[in-house]
Amino acid sequence: SAVISQKPSRDICQRGTSLTIQCQVDSQVTMMFWYRQQPGQSLTLIATANQGSEATYESGFVIDKFPISRPNLTFSTLTVSNMSPEDSSIYLCSVPNAPQSSGANVLTFGAGSRLTVL
Amino acid sequence: SQQGEEDPQALSIQEGENATMNCSYKTSINNLQWYRQNSGRGLVHLILIRSNEREKHSGRLRVTLDTSKKSSSLLITASRAADTASYFCANNQGGKLIFGQGTELSVKP
Repeated sequence: SAVISQKPSRDICQRGTSLTIQCQVDSQVTMMFWYRQQPGQSLTLIATANQGSEATYESGFVIDKFPISRPNLTFSTLTVSNMSPEDSSIYLCSVPNAPQSSGANVLTFGAGSRLTVL
Repeated sequence: SQQGEEDPQALSIQEGENATMNCSYKTSINNLQWYRQNSGRGLVHLILIRSNEREKHSGRLRVTLDTSKKSSSLLITASRAADTASYFCANNQGGKLIFGQGTELSVKP
């Protein structure tokens, strides 16, 4: 399965600022998924990032707040814009272990980026 | 919300005991997966069970699936302190994984 390097691992941010999280994968993948995990909660899918097209956002998430870049098949960034304390969460990127055609959709995750907004 | 329910939310047991976690989901699935998360880090895939399977084993893990009840259970036998973690079920909806609320397992030595 793929190996994902995600950074930063953690950061403390001021209200109103923006932070960009990076995910580097050691192999080429078509789809990357960005999740948010609020304190004590489960994972919620933010968006699916496809190379060469706009990211697809889930209900409740918008591009202006969470812009995503996917410049090539091994890299993606998620920006959390104009942060407020409610954005304090762990943000995780993930990629499928196998081609989508296999139907399994088992995911490999990065180690997560723990953001605290003051 | 598309997210399923898991119970219990928290489980504390002694080393050597078995731990059972349950998951319910809302929509039809082609597979259901279980993941483990240590201390707010990235998730690690444990086991997958397909919709046409009823039971699956992997080492000390046993997963069951009841599609008529839209539920699954994860059993960890002979638990160890190193099994302490949060466990999440996830179902595959249209190529996206939707995660349950999770069970926080604490195994005391």
